[in-house]
Amino acid sequence: DAGVTQSPTHLIKTRGQQVTLRCSPKSGHDTVSWYQQALGQGPQFIFQYYEEEERQRGNFPDRFSGHQFPNYSSELNVNALLLGDSALYLCASNLGTGELFFGEGSRLTVL
Amino acid sequence: QKEVEQNSGPLSVPEGAIASLNCTYSDRGSQSFFWYRQYSGKSPELIMFIYSNGDKEDGRFTAQLNKASQYVSLLIRDSQPSDSATYLCAVNRGSSASKIIFGSGTRLSIRP
Repeated sequence: DAGVTQSPTHLIKTRGQQVTLRCSPKSGHDTVSWYQQALGQGPQFIFQYYEEEERQRGNFPDRFSGHQFPNYSSELNVNALLLGDSALYLCASNLGTGELFFGEGSRLTVL
Repeated sequence: QKEVEQNSGPLSVPEGAIASLNCTYSDRGSQSFFWYRQYSGKSPELIMFIYSNGDKEDGRFTAQLNKASQYVSLLIRDSQPSDSATYLCAVNRGSSASKIIFGSGTRLSIRP
């Protein structure tokens, strides 16, 4: 039973660039949430996708956007990268309950 | 005021003792509450959830919820070195678990 998979695991970008992170949910899960986790902090909710629609959104600017595909996989896009966007980006999937299953994350460094 | 607040620690507890972790939340309408454990360099994993006032026990773990005080706690009995991790309190702010908000976490260290 495949868990949540994310790619890439690490990436380095420069300020102003754009990045796309990808996530495949756990088998059977239809809901994907994205979180940003800075060092020493808890995960910050970016948004959740369900049935290919953004269902809820946290306090993140419009530079953060996403997409969910018919196979439930998801992408997180961040435009005009800032130094402060450096963080671990976590994807989590679930099936309508609060039991989130997390991927190992994508570590983004912005120089 | 943060939506979910936790003491960042570190909380140091001797092996075999009870570790007590606390969390408060701001939205009185929150319905479900979760404790996740995160080892250093790893992703969070769910260890307990609680929906009703009172206590819920699972092995060495007990979650306690007091909705009137907007307070959630986690007790770990017979603490083991393997319990050393960051414990994240999370609250469901949306319907169908559509918005799970995390606190900043409490770092727990079990000393032999």
